[in-house]
Amino acid sequence: EAGVAQSPRYKIIEKRQSVAFWCNPISGHATLYWYQQILGQGPKLLIQFQNNGVVDDSQLPKDRFSAERLKGVDSTLKIQPAKLEDSAVYLCASSPGANQPQHFGDGTRLSIL
Amino acid sequence: GESVGLHLPTLSVQEGDNSIINCAYSNSASDYFIWYKQESGKGPQFIIDIRSNMDKRQGQRVTVLLNKTVKHLSLQIAATQPGDSAVYFCAENILGGAQKLVFGQGTRLTINP
Repeated sequence: EAGVAQSPRYKIIEKRQSVAFWCNPISGHATLYWYQQILGQGPKLLIQFQNNGVVDDSQLPKDRFSAERLKGVDSTLKIQPAKLEDSAVYLCASSPGANQPQHFGDGTRLSIL
Repeated sequence: GESVGLHLPTLSVQEGDNSIINCAYSNSASDYFIWYKQESGKGPQFIIDIRSNMDKRQGQRVTVLLNKTVKHLSLQIAATQPGDSAVYFCAENILGGAQKLVFGQGTRLTINP
């Protein structure tokens, strides 16, 4: 079974620029999550999708972050404009449904200069 | 703030010994708990999970114990191997309409030869 795919693996941008991350979940997984992991900390949930609908985006900084999952499969997370504090690893995870294990991709490491 | 924490940020054990990683959680309404292993440059990898109606669950070389009375979770790794070196996170699911995992800060496990 193929795992969660994410791209790019690394991204370096200057503050105030924009950036986008892409995620392809495990086939058949209805639920998709985006997490932010700052160095030395555990992942923090940004947004959760059930198929193509948003279930929880309470911790998403909506003034600069946006995410979509148009066809209920792939998802993109965008930051515009980026701030220095956005430097982190952005992880995508998927699960078959609620209260089932989430499986993570290897993330995109974002560095803001 | 985070409701899941860990007693020790680092743990060193001898190869072949058993490892015990502890986790305290504060939300008595949490109904599902997961242990993840994260190696450098990779996403969290699912190890084992346990639901709140259980107090013990065993996998291959790993055992998770749940003590709801004192809100404590532990991961036991038998016969620790060099490949077990990683950061280990516990995560709890906050009971609610959508699965929302809250991660602890993590424990770094180092294996001494």
